[in-house]
Amino acid sequence: SAVISQKPSRDICQRGTSLTIQCQVDSQVTMMFWYRQQPGQSLTLIATANQGSEATYESGFVIDKFPISRPNLTFSTLTVSNMSPEDSSIYLCSVRFTGGTEAFFGQGTRLTVV
Amino acid sequence: DAKTTQPTSMDCAEGRAANLPCNHSTISGNEYVYWYRQIHSQGPQYIIHGLKNNETNEMASLIITEDRKSSTLILPHATLRDTAVYYCIVRARGADGLTFGKGTHLIIQP
Repeated sequence: SAVISQKPSRDICQRGTSLTIQCQVDSQVTMMFWYRQQPGQSLTLIATANQGSEATYESGFVIDKFPISRPNLTFSTLTVSNMSPEDSSIYLCSVRFTGGTEAFFGQGTRLTVV
Repeated sequence: DAKTTQPTSMDCAEGRAANLPCNHSTISGNEYVYWYRQIHSQGPQYIIHGLKNNETNEMASLIITEDRKSSTLILPHATLRDTAVYYCIVRARGADGLTFGKGTHLIIQP
């Protein structure tokens, strides 16, 4: 298993600003992912964070809005840029080990944009 | 990933077995059935997965029909802490991220 720490756990931000969310894993993992969970909804995959290269984004998500970094095998960041109230969601980091089948999730970052 | 269909919500009495169905009629031969659950205000938690044989672990059992078009997750002795949204997901082994449907909100009644 993996212990995943996300920071911050929650934040209230002004529209037009940006927030960077950190994801730290206690062991090296192959795959890291970022998800969004809008209020009352299920999870939606934003992107796969690739070490040393640009993230792979899902349809409907773009790098300018959600820049992602992954400098090593245990750490990644997601930035929510130029925020609007529609960005109010829970953002979750997820990881999977090489050859592993199950994904592990952080506790999420609850973002409110006012 | 193949689409899955689950009931929106279910109730179960504490101590009873909770049986959660999932339809995945378009599943491909190389796709596995995964189950996750999300307890309120927490990240999703892996429960179990299978390809075509029934599977059991310390949390649950997974029964997959012979034609693989549906499956049932069984929580043998449900407790109040099992109240959560349960997601049935179909994906190929080694595929990247997960595609979550709406899931089933299981409510365990005292």
